[in-house]
Amino acid sequence: GESVGLHLPTLSVQEGDNSIINCAYSNSASDYFIWYKQESGKGPQFIIDIRSNMDKRQGQRVTVLLNKTVKHLSLQIAATQPGDSAVYFCAEIKDNYGQNFVFGPGTRLSVLP
Amino acid sequence: GAVVSQHPSRVICKSGTSVKIECRSLDFQATTMFWYRQFPKQSLMLMATSNEGSKATYEQGVEKDKFLINHASLTLSTLTVTSAHPEDSSFYICSATRRTGYNEQFFGPGTRLTVL
Repeated sequence: GESVGLHLPTLSVQEGDNSIINCAYSNSASDYFIWYKQESGKGPQFIIDIRSNMDKRQGQRVTVLLNKTVKHLSLQIAATQPGDSAVYFCAEIKDNYGQNFVFGPGTRLSVLP
Repeated sequence: GAVVSQHPSRVICKSGTSVKIECRSLDFQATTMFWYRQFPKQSLMLMATSNEGSKATYEQGVEKDKFLINHASLTLSTLTVTSAHPEDSSFYICSATRRTGYNEQFFGPGTRLTVL
């Protein structure tokens, strides 16, 4: 069936380095993707989104890349900081009303001092 | 804007009792609210989708008689875990979408339920 998955369940990076978190999806019907950050004991927080008519979008220290050819989504965090330690989820949205989210399994990012 | 709150943030109850969790959109009208369940180190699992004034749509495998959802207004949805058992202990998260646009879901901070 359809799924959104992640290549790496855990990722450890040195403070100051760049982080790349990957997400693969199997169904190209959706046209909207979101990355969420979830800190321990809290709800997910929106980080950045991208529509399928784009291949790159930048925010503050974060960049999302979308490769529709290989159905791959990535989140790049520049100059990773201790406060970036969290679990990151990609979500695939399949209709025009923001419903039918499919969440990936999540990647835990640990920032090493 | 687009803030979603949940109450309570933590609740401990005895087995067999019922627990109600509230989800409120504080500064916007929510077209739809969603309820998720999350086990430790796992992703969010959608339990049900609710629209104001109508019955909730439950995902396969979620018992609607056990997890009662009421979406009484455009800013409030409640999840009641009836006759709770230890296996119902989990992190419950709600989210809401706005009327306008088709954007992300705005998530609440979650409710940690522990059933003794």
